[in-house]
Amino acid sequence: AQTVTQSQPEMSVQEAETVTLSCTYDTSESDYYLFWYKQPPSRQMILVIRQEAYKQQNATENRFSVNFQKAAKSFSLKISDSQLGDAAMYFCAYRSAGIGFQGAQKLVFGQGTRLTINP
Amino acid sequence: DSGVTQTPKHLITATGQRVTLRCSPRSGDLSVYWYQQSLDQGLQFLIQYYNGEERAKGNILERFSAQQFPDLHSELNLSSLELGDSALYFCASSVGAATGELFFGEGSRLTVL
Repeated sequence: AQTVTQSQPEMSVQEAETVTLSCTYDTSESDYYLFWYKQPPSRQMILVIRQEAYKQQNATENRFSVNFQKAAKSFSLKISDSQLGDAAMYFCAYRSAGIGFQGAQKLVFGQGTRLTINP
Repeated sequence: DSGVTQTPKHLITATGQRVTLRCSPRSGDLSVYWYQQSLDQGLQFLIQYYNGEERAKGNILERFSAQQFPDLHSELNLSSLELGDSALYFCASSVGAATGELFFGEGSRLTVL
C-alpha cells in the first residue's frame, strides 16, 4: 500500500520569505499523481498544485512550486513571497493513475504540516 | 466553490443515534469519495463509489455504510454513534483517472455528545 509521510508537523516563516514543506512517499507504481492541498481555518480542502509522475518538469502555480524527485520519492512544496493568507494546514497526497480502472484511485494523504506566517 | 455540495454543514447528535450525510458531486463527475478527518488529524479514506458501484473501501467501520444513487449523489450513513465518531466528514468527486485531482466539498461537521 502506498504511504505518504510529512516529517514536519509545524513550520513557520516570516511574511514575504520563502518556505519549503517536505513530503516523501512510498510506492511501487510508476504512474501516479502527487498533490498538495491546503486546508485553511475554514477547513475547506483546496488544491494548491498537482504533478504527474511521468512529467519531469516541476509544476508551478504562481508563488507555489514543487521539487519532484521521482527516484528519491520526494515531493516538496516551495512557497515564495509568503503571505498571511498562506497560513493553513498543508497536506501532501498521492493517487494512483490507474488509467481505465476506477478501483484504486483514492487519495492517500500525509498527516499534514501546519504553516504559520509571522507578520 | 469546488462544485461539490455537502449537507448538512453541521450536525449535533447523541450517542447511539443514526445520521445521514449527503453529497452531490460536481456535474459530470462519476466518482464519489468519503473521507473522515478527526480533530487535528489527516484525512482517512472511508469508501469510494463509481457510477453507482462501490469501488474501494478503506477504514470504514461496520456501523457506517454508504451508497451512490442513479443521479450520482451519495449518502453516508453513520449508526450507533459513539463519541469518537465526532469528526469532519468530507465528500470529494472526480471525473476519473484523466485529471487526477479530487474536488472536495466543505465537509459535514458531526458532533456526538
